Amino acid sequence: GQQLNQSPQSMFIQEGEDVSMNCTSSSIFNTWLWYKQEPGEGPVLLIALYKAGELTSNGRLTAQFGITRKDSFLNISASIPSDVGIYFCAGPLRYGNKLVFGAGTILRVKS
Amino acid sequence: DAGVIQSPRHEVTEMGQEVTLRCKPISGHNSLFWYRQTMMRGLELLIYFNNNVPIDDSGMPEDRFSAKMPNASFSTLKIQPSEPRDSAVYFCASTGSGPDTQYFGPGTRLTVL
Repeated sequence: GQQLNQSPQSMFIQEGEDVSMNCTSSSIFNTWLWYKQEPGEGPVLLIALYKAGELTSNGRLTAQFGITRKDSFLNISASIPSDVGIYFCAGPLRYGNKLVFGAGTILRVKS
Repeated sequence: DAGVIQSPRHEVTEMGQEVTLRCKPISGHNSLFWYRQTMMRGLELLIYFNNNVPIDDSGMPEDRFSAKMPNASFSTLKIQPSEPRDSAVYFCASTGSGPDTQYFGPGTRLTVL
């Protein structure tokens, strides 16, 4: 089936450092989504990617839709304490109105 | 504009009791999704509705789980009888367009003792 593999599972970084995480699949996706979940809250959409090779930014966040359409990357530059949370990649399944989510990358920031 | 509203935010109950979780989607959204989140299994889709009609309930774990959407502004997820392994955070999400614009509620943290 269409599954998403996220890495790394978790990161503990120093404030000010850049962060990189990625998401891969054995299946092709036509849309890649990146969500952030803060403690006690539901996931919030950060960036949506719709075209292979697309590079999209949202403030200090930059995400790329891989050329093969089987992967996506999220980078956070100059991390700050409020970047703490779980970052999920997601993509719509081929059929139906459903999303599949990766397992998430837990980000912790030391100030 | 209010986002997706879920109640209660926290529920603690004893094994065997009936549990009802509630969701009010964003006004005007015509698709509603129920998810369950656990450490072991991550975020799983349980069921989704289009225009109040259940479309796909293949993620509902057992017959103990049921969901209804009697109108466009309200949905319930019921577990009867509840078991300790049902302990999780349950999210409701809604969208007015494609699946990539789902807005999530704050979740209900369920603990079954």
